[in-house]
Amino acid sequence: GENVEQHPSTLSVQEGDSAVIKCTYSDSASNYFPWYKQELGKRPQLIIDIRSNVGEKKDQRIAVTLNKTAKHFSLHITETQPEDSAVYFCAASILGILTGGGNKLTFGTGTQLKVEL
Amino acid sequence: NAGVTQTPKFRILKIGQSMTLQCTQDMNHNYMYWYRQDPGMGLKLIYYSVGAGITDKGEVPNGYNVSRSTTEDFPLRLELAAPSQTSVYFCASSYLDSSTGELFFGEGSRLTVL
Repeated sequence: GENVEQHPSTLSVQEGDSAVIKCTYSDSASNYFPWYKQELGKRPQLIIDIRSNVGEKKDQRIAVTLNKTAKHFSLHITETQPEDSAVYFCAASILGILTGGGNKLTFGTGTQLKVEL
Repeated sequence: NAGVTQTPKFRILKIGQSMTLQCTQDMNHNYMYWYRQDPGMGLKLIYYSVGAGITDKGEVPNGYNVSRSTTEDFPLRLELAAPSQTSVYFCASSYLDSSTGELFFGEGSRLTVL
């Protein structure tokens, strides 16, 4: 099955700096790579995702890049703010009607991001 | 829409007891999932369902059972609770349409087995 590794486990940055979180996956058939943000005591929420036919996707201050050859993808947060402090999870899955099984995500172990004033 | 609703939010069980975590969604999603979240371990898939009457095992199904009698409800049953089942449990749902892969999570149920 799929295995997703995520680094670093903790990341501390100064407000206004950039943060980068990296993930690798093992199954070359995976084609969907989302990032979830989980604030303390809250549910995980999708912040951005990317499909395997796209190399980069951006949404305001966050961006995700994908290298299919190397099987790794990264989350980039620019101009970090205190409200970006949370745990971020990457995930991977094979998404498509033909799989018949919904979207069975395999998650990384999470990165605790702390944005310091 | 309330989205995905889980009950209870907190529960303490004694070893060997049984209980059911309830999950209901009002978004008419076909797919539903149960994940458990342990500290530093991410979320691991326990069971999932592609529609009423159809369920299948995920990565860590041992010690759990599920049923899906309606589109809305997907309860998770713990039989003979063990300390290893102490965790936060999240129910989630998603659309049938594969153009979007977003999982919508409930608020979680924190279970402690003593």
